[in-house]
Amino acid sequence: GENVEQHPSTLSVQEGDSAVIKCTYSDSASNYFPWYKQELGKGPQLIIDIRSNVGEKKDQRIAVTLNKTAKHFSLHITETQPEDSAVYFCAASIEGADGLTFGKGTHLIIQP
Amino acid sequence: ETGVTQSPTHLIKTRGQQVTLRCSSQSGHNTVSWYQQALGQGPQFIFQYYREEENGRGNFPPRFSGLQFPNYSSELNVNALELDDSALYLCASTSLFSEQYFGPGTRLTVT
Repeated sequence: GENVEQHPSTLSVQEGDSAVIKCTYSDSASNYFPWYKQELGKGPQLIIDIRSNVGEKKDQRIAVTLNKTAKHFSLHITETQPEDSAVYFCAASIEGADGLTFGKGTHLIIQP
Repeated sequence: ETGVTQSPTHLIKTRGQQVTLRCSSQSGHNTVSWYQQALGQGPQFIFQYYREEENGRGNFPPRFSGLQFPNYSSELNVNALELDDSALYLCASTSLFSEQYFGPGTRLTVT
């Protein structure tokens, strides 16, 4: 089955700086890669996703890149703000089949 | 807010007991998935229901079972509870574009 590795486990950045979280996946058949933000006491919130026919996708301060050959994808957050502090999860799946396989999460801390 | 609701919010059960968790999916979403999230870990896929049939399952034993109803709401049942079943149980409904939207979860504690 699919295996998703995520790093770093904790990332501390100064407010206004950029943050990058990286994930690798093992199953070359995976073609859907969402990213979730989870705040304390809440369920995961979908923030951006990318499909394997696209190399990059942006939504305001958030961007995701995908390298199918290397089987890795990354989340980029620019101009970080205090409200970006949360745990971020990457996930992978074969679209339309079974569930998502998640990484172990990255605790992002924005220092004022 | 995703429009996915779960009940109850918290639950405490004793080892060996049975538990039923409930989920109402977002309007128009006919696929629902259940995940188990242990403390400090990512969610793990339990199973998925599409039009009242199970059509995908993760690495969980048969004592984890589910139902989906004609209105696309769903239940997760766990029999013979074990201490390791203590976790946050998440329900997600899937859009037409394959995006999964999660509810707030049910925190289950097994003592």
